[in-house]
Amino acid sequence: DSGVTQTPKHLITATGQRVTLRCSPRSGDLSVYWYQQSLDQGLQFLIQYYNGEERAKGNILERFSAQQFPDLHSELNLSSLELGDSALYFCASSVGRRGDTQYFGPGTRLTVL
Amino acid sequence: QKEVEQDPGPLSVPEGAIVSLNCTYSNSAFQYFMWYRQYSRKGPELLMYTYSSGNKEDGRFTAQVDKSSKYISLFIRDSQPSDSATYLCAFNTNAGKSTFGDGTTLTVKP
Repeated sequence: DSGVTQTPKHLITATGQRVTLRCSPRSGDLSVYWYQQSLDQGLQFLIQYYNGEERAKGNILERFSAQQFPDLHSELNLSSLELGDSALYFCASSVGRRGDTQYFGPGTRLTVL
Repeated sequence: QKEVEQDPGPLSVPEGAIVSLNCTYSNSAFQYFMWYRQYSRKGPELLMYTYSSGNKEDGRFTAQVDKSSKYISLFIRDSQPSDSATYLCAFNTNAGKSTFGDGTTLTVKP
């Protein structure tokens, strides 16, 4: 158990809908990272937040947005969902901002029908 | 051209073998080098991290980085069936952007 929690574990929804994925980092960690892992693609970095501020952005679609709250938990919002958004979404956390020691949560499996 | 190329595998070895997993990269901004292990699409688990060229050892695992050749490796000694998993190389820049390899699936046969 890495200490990073993600909810929900599974999510099934329809195209065009909007969902919110939640992540609680390990105690003491200030950075949160979001990743997407599809069957035919590796782990794709989406975005990093450090202590409430956006720090780095990867291949995140405009339909997706994230934020980190004062209590350091983070939410990833996915809107206008398409079939291709079906994937595992992982959250990771680290103490600092460098990203060298990230601890991953168990993931949320999103299925878009 | 992809920033990171990882030996695709799959790799199958007998128990006790030495395993070598390899990645090359093209982005000179990569400053931090990591290896993760992922079991059956569970959350990746950090195995090793390093910042500099050379070798870093932790138990049965050795991470090797050659910045001049833009090449990193992970060696597993005395491999065990429990090492069967997908191994991911990962890189970070000072700006915080993370890039992962596509993974190498390893099977260690008893």
